[in-house]
Amino acid sequence: DIVVTQSPDSLAVSLGERATINCKSSQSILYSSNNKNYLAWYQQKPGQPPKLLIYWASTRESGVPDRFSGSGSGRDFTLTISSLQAEDAAIYYCQQYYTTPLYSFGQGTKLEIK
Amino acid sequence: EVQLVESGGGLVQPGGSLRLSCAASGFIFSRYWMSWVRQAPGKGLEWVANIKEDGSEKHYIDSVKGRLTIFRDNAKNSLFLQMNNLRDEDTAVYFCALDQLWFDSWGQGTLVTVSS
Repeated sequence: DIVVTQSPDSLAVSLGERATINCKSSQSILYSSNNKNYLAWYQQKPGQPPKLLIYWASTRESGVPDRFSGSGSGRDFTLTISSLQAEDAAIYYCQQYYTTPLYSFGQGTKLEIK
Repeated sequence: EVQLVESGGGLVQPGGSLRLSCAASGFIFSRYWMSWVRQAPGKGLEWVANIKEDGSEKHYIDSVKGRLTIFRDNAKNSLFLQMNNLRDEDTAVYFCALDQLWFDSWGQGTLVTVSS
């Protein structure tokens, strides 16, 4: 089984500043045949279902603001919010789908506004 | 617009049963894998099970094998989760989600509480 671990568990960032969330998988989730990293990122606000932000580690979902970006390869990945807005306060999750059709999520990172 | 609407949650005693439903609209349901994902109170997301477009293939996390069964009715654009022999640790909000390796559409969820 692939275990996905996020860091930090929580962070507080000032408005307009950069926020960075990390995700590390227990083994590489880069599929050599297509050179794609099998990782997605989600945002979840209280009382709401998760919202897809990014898939293939760096492809932004339609309608997601370009201040959200994903990077990384192999085992180490990062979600960056370039200029934090008040509405970005949420819990963020990464998800690996390398072991498709079985999946696993990271434990979540709570992002607060400082 | 994709819509997924779950129903069927509620309070059930340990060892009891419940059937969750998910009504899908706004897309060709029979062409997509579908998943159930759950979230225990105050906890993170946990993928539970998924099912192939035609229902011929199903997968589960180990902790629910033999107790939870996913199935679908493509004629009625509906996804189901039959939950038997429920345990305290099955208490969670259960979301149905359109499964494209990632989950780009989710329902609002239905709460299942297992308690005596």
